Amino acid sequence: DAGVIQSPRHEVTEMGQEVTLRCKPISGHNSLFWYRQTMMRGLELLIYFNNNVPIDDSGMPEDRFSAKMPNASFSTLKIQPSEPRDSAVYFCASSLDRYSPLHFGNGTRLTVT
Amino acid sequence: DQQVKQNSPSLSVQEGRISILNCDYTNSMFDYFLWYKKYPAEGPTFLISISSIKDKNEDGRFTVFLNKSAKHLSLHIVPSQPGDSAVYFCAASARNNNNDMRFGAGTRLTVKP
Repeated sequence: DAGVIQSPRHEVTEMGQEVTLRCKPISGHNSLFWYRQTMMRGLELLIYFNNNVPIDDSGMPEDRFSAKMPNASFSTLKIQPSEPRDSAVYFCASSLDRYSPLHFGNGTRLTVT
Repeated sequence: DQQVKQNSPSLSVQEGRISILNCDYTNSMFDYFLWYKKYPAEGPTFLISISSIKDKNEDGRFTVFLNKSAKHLSLHIVPSQPGDSAVYFCAASARNNNNDMRFGAGTRLTVKP
């Protein structure tokens, strides 16, 4: 299995632009998570889907952030408009079920100038 | 709010000695605890876990201890090896609740040859 696949690996954009991060979870996994890693706050949970349905989005910083999971094999995290403080590494992870560990992708490093 | 706390941002240990990484949590609903290891430019990878019905789980050189009354867990690595140098994240979830997994800020372990 290829594992969790995230794209792009790196994204550099200017303030005000729309950014879309993509994730393909491991086939058969029922849960998908988006995390953000920063030096100050470590790994923050942004949103969590179970069977394609958002369960907890309380970690989404503000209305500029949105996430979708149109089917079991694809999810997006969108930031519109982006700001310099959004610069971070964004990780997607999936798990088989609630009793299993998370499997992480290699992350997308976002830089907003 | 930081429900999972790793108060030591870094730890340095001599090769062959024991590494002890600590983690505290505040949410009494957490019933599943995990440690993840992260190398630069990669996503975190699962290392070891423990359910709240146990107080110890061992896997080779890695042992996780859970003290529910103190809401504290620790990861012991013995003997430590230079390849263990990485950032270690503590994580917790409430599997009978909504199962979103919360992470600590991480501890950077350096094992010196």
